[in-house]
Amino acid sequence: EVQLVQSGAEVKKPGESLRISCRGSGYTFNYYWIGWVRQMPGKGLEWMGIIYPDDSDTRYNPSFQGHVTISVDKSIRTVYIQWSSLKASDSAMYYCARHRASSFRDVFDFWGQGTMVTVSS
Amino acid sequence: EIVLTQSPGTLSLSPGERATLSCRANQSVTNNYLAWYQHKPGQAPRLLIYGASGRATGIPDRFSGSGSGTDFTLTISRLEPEDFAVYSCQQYGSSPFTFGPGTKVDIK
Repeated sequence: EVQLVQSGAEVKKPGESLRISCRGSGYTFNYYWIGWVRQMPGKGLEWMGIIYPDDSDTRYNPSFQGHVTISVDKSIRTVYIQWSSLKASDSAMYYCARHRASSFRDVFDFWGQGTMVTVSS
Repeated sequence: EIVLTQSPGTLSLSPGERATLSCRANQSVTNNYLAWYQHKPGQAPRLLIYGASGRATGIPDRFSGSGSGTDFTLTISRLEPEDFAVYSCQQYGSSPFTFGPGTKVDIK
């Protein structure tokens, strides 16, 4: 069974750093793109970027590039997204999701349960 | 970046009725790479449709997708109680793979 399990909710202060994780299981981890999607309170889904675990090829939405970093540790089947300096506007639910096939241009067929990030002074 | 617009913002219908949701792009979607997701509070989104009209694994046939170029439609032929949710379209033909703002289907 394909599963993506995300790390737990986080409460941080502005300016702090944060890394959240997404561990994949039940499939050949290296060969499926995994992406991150943001949902701010009361808003729609936003595609942040994706990574191909096998070679760490990473593509970002220009709206997020420079503010987040997506990385992978193949040895533990885990993808990360990290912030070096959080802002209050980063408060949101963050989902990881896997592409349906090995293609770059593809849909997300399996999703993590979401990680709520709250940034408040 | 391709911008997707969904209409209506909210659709109020009764169980058993037909729902027609629209997704429009500000430029042509490459290869009609347009997907639809269902999203319920407290749950992760669920893939319904890919490639504009392909039904994802396990999705009931009351869900259907159509359209091409810039105009796409998700149709739910007869609403079941579990179908009341938010529906979002996503284009994955041109990076960044943007989502629409969503249409909420609620109970009338």
